[in-house]
Amino acid sequence: AQSVTQLGSHVSVSEGALVLLRCNYSSSVPPYLFWYVQYPNQGLQLLLKYTSAATLVKGINGFEAEFKKSETSFHLTKPSAHMSDAAEYFCAVSGNTGGFKTIFGAGTRLFVKA
Amino acid sequence: DTAVSQTPKYLVTQMGNDKSIKCEQNLGHDTMYWYKQDSKKFLKIMFSYNNKELIINETVPNRFSPKSPDKAHLNLHINSLELGDSAVYFCASSQGVGTSGRETQYFGPGTRLLVL
Repeated sequence: AQSVTQLGSHVSVSEGALVLLRCNYSSSVPPYLFWYVQYPNQGLQLLLKYTSAATLVKGINGFEAEFKKSETSFHLTKPSAHMSDAAEYFCAVSGNTGGFKTIFGAGTRLFVKA
Repeated sequence: DTAVSQTPKYLVTQMGNDKSIKCEQNLGHDTMYWYKQDSKKFLKIMFSYNNKELIINETVPNRFSPKSPDKAHLNLHINSLELGDSAVYFCASSQGVGTSGRETQYFGPGTRLLVL
């Protein structure tokens, strides 16, 4: 079975500060890992994904994430937060376990202070 | 052009009613999904179709019935609505047969269902 744990349901940063959203996964097979962002009253959109190529993955809007197998982590970072980054962020895992369902974490709400 | 569209955007109805939500994608994708997002933002898959064939059917009450008339459409019909059905329902689609797990999913804007 696969699962995802996002540490911190809410994260607050100042504009210009580092953004770090934590995600740990559990998977019995090599995982595929995703970060999606949900802006208020909208659907989810992909920020980036790891599919067993480079362990450091760059996504849209200046975000990146590093796959660390030894730590079973896939934390999302951005060097400098913008007000427009305020949103809900979801980490997700999938893989060929005989069912290809994507399992989403509970989400982390990012607040950006001026 | 909207990639994944859902109608209606808002749905307010009484307990016991039957309602449908429609989803259409113009991305040429083969796989479509329905997700339920509860009030705590938890997102859970309900169903998935590949080329009109049901491939994921989670533990969902049989009051919920998906229908895929063609690979560009996946509708969700809900019978005898209950208070606990209040949530945001998202449709999504992805390329390929959806069996590798690596595909990016493209989400619609959601349908906000409120059962009174």
